[in-house]
Amino acid sequence: GIQVEQSPPDLILQEGANSTLRCNFSDSVNNLQWFHQNPWGQLINLFYIPSGTKQNGRLSATTVATERYSLLYISSSQTTDSGVYFCAVDTGRRALTFGSGTRLQVQP
Amino acid sequence: GAVVSQHPSRVICKSGTSVKIECRSLDFQATTMFWYRQFPKQSLMLMATSNEGSKATYEQGVEKDKFLINHASLTLSTLTVTSAHPEDSSFYICSAAFPAFFGQGTRLTVV
Repeated sequence: GIQVEQSPPDLILQEGANSTLRCNFSDSVNNLQWFHQNPWGQLINLFYIPSGTKQNGRLSATTVATERYSLLYISSSQTTDSGVYFCAVDTGRRALTFGSGTRLQVQP
Repeated sequence: GAVVSQHPSRVICKSGTSVKIECRSLDFQATTMFWYRQFPKQSLMLMATSNEGSKATYEQGVEKDKFLINHASLTLSTLTVTSAHPEDSSFYICSAAFPAFFGQGTRLTVV
């Protein structure tokens, strides 16, 4: 099956810093989504981005489908951005294959 | 986006008992829903695909007799963990719609 790798696995930032999270995938995908998992476990939809670039406030994402990677940018990070960020892909089954996640800690 | 509601959010049960988890699509009809499991500090893994009006499709290694899935209507799928054991303790979460939206998840603890 498809492999999804995320980097870095862990990231510690000071409040106000910027960061880039990366997701590499091993095959063509129909769907790519980024999620933020909060401390209560809930998965918050950030982006649906099988290709191209999108922005939502301090967050933006870019997927280069031909090169099989996606990037999530977080600017001016806040303590509320802490949590685990997952990239997940769908190869046509509509079920998602998740990466291992990036655990982000933003310190005040 | 689509709204998916999952209940209960947390459950503690005794070893050997069964637990039912509900996943509802609140503002749309879902012919297909998905169930995932997440162990502490790990990623989410697909357990099964729930199909309205037909049998669920289970991923390799998932015991279909232990994790019973019923999708009897276009807005409700249920996951029943039968004869639960401590190793079944985990976070269970459902999704529906495209792109995917997730329920709140259920944290199951078997004692």
